[in-house]
Amino acid sequence: DAGVTQSPTHLIKTRGQQVTLRCSPKSGHDTVSWYQQALGQGPQFIFQYYEEEERQRGNFPDRFSGHQFPNYSSELNVNALLLGDSALYLCASSPYRGVGYEQYFGPGTRLTVT
Amino acid sequence: GQNIDQPTEMTATEGAIVQINCTYQTSGFNGLFWYQQHAGEAPTFLSYNVLDGLEEKGRFSSFLSRSKGYSYLLLKELQMKDSASYLCAAFSGGYNKLIFGAGTRLAVHP
Repeated sequence: DAGVTQSPTHLIKTRGQQVTLRCSPKSGHDTVSWYQQALGQGPQFIFQYYEEEERQRGNFPDRFSGHQFPNYSSELNVNALLLGDSALYLCASSPYRGVGYEQYFGPGTRLTVT
Repeated sequence: GQNIDQPTEMTATEGAIVQINCTYQTSGFNGLFWYQQHAGEAPTFLSYNVLDGLEEKGRFSSFLSRSKGYSYLLLKELQMKDSASYLCAAFSGGYNKLIFGAGTRLAVHP
């Protein structure tokens, strides 16, 4: 049973560019959440997708957008990259059955903006 | 507002016991998670408390007091491989949304 997978593993971009990160959830999971983790900090919630719709959003600007596909995989897009967007981007999947279900994290994508 | 507080760093000796505390203030609180994260890796699940009391799982135990907004993670028989960051996260709202603390970096030395 494959866990949560993310691609790419590492990415280097220049300020102003756009980036797309990808996530495939654990088998049987239909909800995908994205988190940003700056160095030395805990993960910060970006948004969550279920049934191909954004269900919740954290305190992130509109430059951060996402998408969920019918097979439950998801993309995170960041436009007009800033140096401060350099971070580890984590995808977590869970079943959408209400509260109390563990979120399984993928290995993350390390984004460096220069 | 929503706030999770935990100590920034702790050190302990191999074979000892360490307790990592976490206090939280979140709306729509539905439970408390602890995750372990080694440097450069993804967080891995350790424990989940939704009711008051102690949950034990091998060398790891976690405690929750909802009335006090307080939790702790207890690690026994420390091993060098336990050197990592430990993240306290509150389950918030009606969806599977986690609010994380900044993490506690634990260094285990011989």
